Amino acid sequence: NAGVMQNPRHLVRRRGQEARLRCSPMKGHSHVYWYRQLPEEGLKFMVYLQKENIIDESGMPKERFSAEFPKEGPSILRIQQVVRGDSAAYFCASSPRTGVNTEAFFGQGTRLTVV
Amino acid sequence: QKEVEQNSGPLSVPEGAIASLNCTYSDRGSQSFFWYRQYSGKSPELIMSIYSNGDKEDGRFTAQLNKASQYVSLLIRDSQPSDSATYLCAVNIETGGFKTIFGAGTRLFVKA
Repeated sequence: NAGVMQNPRHLVRRRGQEARLRCSPMKGHSHVYWYRQLPEEGLKFMVYLQKENIIDESGMPKERFSAEFPKEGPSILRIQQVVRGDSAAYFCASSPRTGVNTEAFFGQGTRLTVV
Repeated sequence: QKEVEQNSGPLSVPEGAIASLNCTYSDRGSQSFFWYRQYSGKSPELIMSIYSNGDKEDGRFTAQLNKASQYVSLLIRDSQPSDSATYLCAVNIETGGFKTIFGAGTRLFVKA
């Protein structure tokens, strides 16, 4: 059973380009969470999705950022018109259900560098 | 007030000593608490979960929870250099489901 798969592992974009980060949850997991980690900082919650639904996007910047988790295929975190401040590690986690004791399992992350 | 607070460290302990990592949280209704370990450049790895007041032991790790004080800690006995990492405290918060909120992490160095 493969773990949470994220790709690409490393992504370099020039300022103004679009970045697309993909996350395939563990088999049987229908809940996906995206986090951003700036250098030397903790994980910041961005968005929580179930299949075809955004449950909580309270951590998403109001502009340029969007996320989806379609019925088929991976979850996508999309950053339009990237700026240098978007450079960070973006981690995806998944869980099989939601519940007070639910544990989330992380992918290896995508390291975005904006030049 | 941050939802989950940790001392950023670094915390430095000699090999073989006990490392004590602390965390406080603001949501009094929280019921689930986790400790993740993150090595530099790697993803977080779950090492302990605790849901009830008291202690929970797993090998060299002991998690302690005090809901009245909104405090959770992690003790690492017989610390090894391989324990050197950042330790993230996390809490599940209800939000139409449950999401996991993390503290900023405490950096631990175990000196050989």
